[in-house]
Amino acid sequence: EVQLVESGGGLVQPGGSLRLSCAASGFTFSSYWMSWVRQAPGKGLEWVAKIKQDGSEKYYVDSVKGRFTISRDNAKNSLYLQMNSLRVEDTAVYYCAREGGGGILGLLDYWGQGTLVTVSS
Amino acid sequence: DIVMTQSPDSLAVSLGERATINCKSSLSVLYSSNNKNYLAWYQQKPGQPPKLLIYWASTRESGVPDRFSGSGSGTDFTLTISSLQAEDVAVYYCQQYYSTPQYTFGQGTKLEIK
Repeated sequence: EVQLVESGGGLVQPGGSLRLSCAASGFTFSSYWMSWVRQAPGKGLEWVAKIKQDGSEKYYVDSVKGRFTISRDNAKNSLYLQMNSLRVEDTAVYYCAREGGGGILGLLDYWGQGTLVTVSS
Repeated sequence: DIVMTQSPDSLAVSLGERATINCKSSLSVLYSSNNKNYLAWYQQKPGQPPKLLIYWASTRESGVPDRFSGSGSGTDFTLTISSLQAEDVAVYYCQQYYSTPQYTFGQGTKLEIK
């Protein structure tokens, strides 16, 4: 069974940093692109970042470029999101999602339960 | 970026009746070389993560009940629930995966029981 379990969320002040983790199991982690998608309270879904199987390609939504860094450790079946210079508008539930099920890039076929990041003074 | 616009924002339907949700993209998501529409639908129940329902605009994900169907091409798409069940109460999102890597979602449609 595919499982994605996020951790690392919490309350942080504006300008602060946080590192999210996503532990993957039940599939060959190193064979898939992985994404982070966020959802502000009561709002819709926003794709944040994605990383290629070997970590050689990384992409970000414009609003987080230069502040967030996505990475992965295939030996540990883990995905990460380092978030720096956090802003109030980064407050959201952050989901880890597997991309490319069936070889379809962009299709998010499994999601974790999410971890809440609150940026507030 | 391709902008996805759903309608309506919310919808109330009686149990057993048909529910229809629309999604319009600002650019065509039909890839001419394979004649596939790069459009997916997700269901998000309260307190849960999104769940993939449909991809290629009309292909149901494994395990999704056949009362869910997707249709449309190019820029206009529809998600239909043929006979609404209580467990279908959720927010539904469309997503385009044509424009990589900047995938975009619609704003969501909240489906409730009338």
